[in-house]
Amino acid sequence: GEDVEQSLFLSVREGDSSVINCTYTDSSSTYLYWYKQEPGAGLQLLTYIFSNMDMKQDQRLTVLLNKKDKHLSLRIADTQTGDSAIYFCAEINAGNMLTFGGGTRLMVKP
Amino acid sequence: NAGVTQTPKFRILKIGQSMTLQCTQDMNHNYMYWYRQDPGMGLKLIYYSVGAGITDKGEVPNGYNVSRSTTEDFPLRLELAAPSQTSVYFCASSPATRTDTQYFGPGTRLTVL
Repeated sequence: GEDVEQSLFLSVREGDSSVINCTYTDSSSTYLYWYKQEPGAGLQLLTYIFSNMDMKQDQRLTVLLNKKDKHLSLRIADTQTGDSAIYFCAEINAGNMLTFGGGTRLMVKP
Repeated sequence: NAGVTQTPKFRILKIGQSMTLQCTQDMNHNYMYWYRQDPGMGLKLIYYSVGAGITDKGEVPNGYNVSRSTTEDFPLRLELAAPSQTSVYFCASSPATRTDTQYFGPGTRLTVL
């Protein structure tokens, strides 16, 4: 079955880069997403990448996709305290179901 | 636009009680979804709807029911609450296809004691 895995926690200093990693098992994934969840709020879509792309850049965010290894990463440049949140990766597969990872809590220290 | 709104924000139920979680969207989206998020876990899809009058089961539908009589509203019903249903429930909507961006509500935190 499908499975999406993420590490639980990441701590960085303000101004450093953050890299959040995700692995997935379903090779039929068509789109892969990164969502951000701030405390007490719903999920907010940050960015997504099509499965036929290797990289997508959007301002401070860079998404890298390695289809061979089924590995997805989100790099946040110049991380700010406002970036502290839980980040979820998710895939949508041929069955049109969104499967989420367990989330990575990013803590940014001033 | 208010986007996706959910009520209530918090609720405590006793085992065996029933309740309805409300979800409304004002973006005229066809697709609507209900997810649950358990502590430290990702979201699991409970039910979804592709339009008024059409609903389908997601990954974890047992213990829940839904209806979709209008485009705007997608209520989730718990008939006999159980402690295993203690979770945060999120409603979401998307415009046309399941690959479109999903917009999430703020969530309802439910505790069953």
